[in-house]
Parts: sequence; structure tokens; C-alpha cells
Amino acid sequence: DAGVIQSPRHEVTEMGQEVTLRCKPISGHNSLFWYRQTMMRGLELLIYFNNNVPIDDSGMPEDRFSAKMPNASFSTLKIQPSEPRDSAVYFCASSLVSGDRSGEQYFGPGTRLTVT
Amino acid sequence: AQTVTQSQPEMSVQEAETVTLSCTYDTSESDYYLFWYKQPPSRQMILVIRQEAYKQQNATENRFSVNFQKAAKSFSLKISDSQLGDAAMYFCAYRSADGKLVFGAGTILRVKS
Repeated sequence: DAGVIQSPRHEVTEMGQEVTLRCKPISGHNSLFWYRQTMMRGLELLIYFNNNVPIDDSGMPEDRFSAKMPNASFSTLKIQPSEPRDSAVYFCASSLVSGDRSGEQYFGPGTRLTVT
Repeated sequence: AQTVTQSQPEMSVQEAETVTLSCTYDTSESDYYLFWYKQPPSRQMILVIRQEAYKQQNATENRFSVNFQKAAKSFSLKISDSQLGDAAMYFCAYRSADGKLVFGAGTILRVKS
């Protein structure tokens, strides 16, 4: 298995531009998580999906952030408009939830976003 | 809400020696999982070891083992026979029944040759 795939690996954009980060979870996994990692705040959960449905988006910082999961094999995290404080590494992770048990989360390589 | 605390921002160990990284957590749940993740400079998050709260036996994975003290809400990671490749940031994480992970702030481990 290729593991969780994220694209792009690096993104540099100017303030005010729209940024779209992409994630392909591990085939067969039914839960997907978006995290943000910064020096100041560490690793934070932004949003997670179960069976393509957003379950908890309480970690999304503000309305400029949105996430979608149109099908089981693809998710996007969009920032519009982007700001310099959005600069961070964004991770996508997936896991298999079976019954009342949740499996390990497998992380993608991350997208390093720089907003100038 | 659950919290995870790693009180050691940075640790050093001599190659081939043993080091222990500390982690404490706070929760009112009885059923949960605990993890240690390793993040090398490549920034890839790698699962090192997991512990199920209902299991009293401490988890081990080759040179990695944990000391799980449920009553004290403590979950330390011991790395034996440290290797240069063990140098990384280590994160302790708590996972509740809904599958959400809460991470500690991390501990940078340096390995000296």
C-alpha cells in the first residue's frame, strides 16, 4: 500500500491567495483527519471525517478554512484567503474504524505551507 | 477535555545507552489508547508503540517499551540501546473512543555518538 498521500509537499503562496491541500487516504480506511503543526501550538486536530461525513470541525480556526471529502479516496483542505499566520505543516491521517473500535492513525508526509 | 503533558522539551542520550521520555495525561474516560509517535527531520509521523488502557501489561516493540501507570495517568517511553537513528521529536498522544488524537508538546531526543 502506498500509504496516505498528500499533495503538494511544499506550497509557497502570497497572502490573500487561495490554497488547496489534497489528501488520499489509505484504501479501505473510513476515517480521515486533518492536523496542523506549528512551533507555537504543536499538533492540532482541525477536522475529521467518518465515512466521508464531517464529524468534528471544532478545531478549524476560522471561516477561511474549509474541508471536504467528496468520496472515500479524496479530501481537500482549503484556505481562502490565506494569511501569513497560516504558515505551518498540514498533515492528513487516516484510520479504520470498526464497530466501536478505532484503529491506528497513519499519517501522510505533510504539506509545508508558507504564506508570504 | 483530555490533555497530554510532556515535561521534557529536550533529552540527550549516549549511543547504546537507555533513555526514558515522560508523559502524563488527564482524562475522565476509562477506555482509551495511548501512543508514542516519532517525528524525524523528514517530519514524517511514525507510530512507535501503542498501549490499550484496559491492558495492564506494558507494551514492548523491540528496543522500545512503555511504563503505563493508569492510576497515576503516566505513560513513559523507554528506549534501550539507543541508536543514532532514534534522534527525533517524540510525541505522546491520547486517543479517546471517538478516535480523536490529542498530542503532547513533544520531546526532542538527541543521541550522542
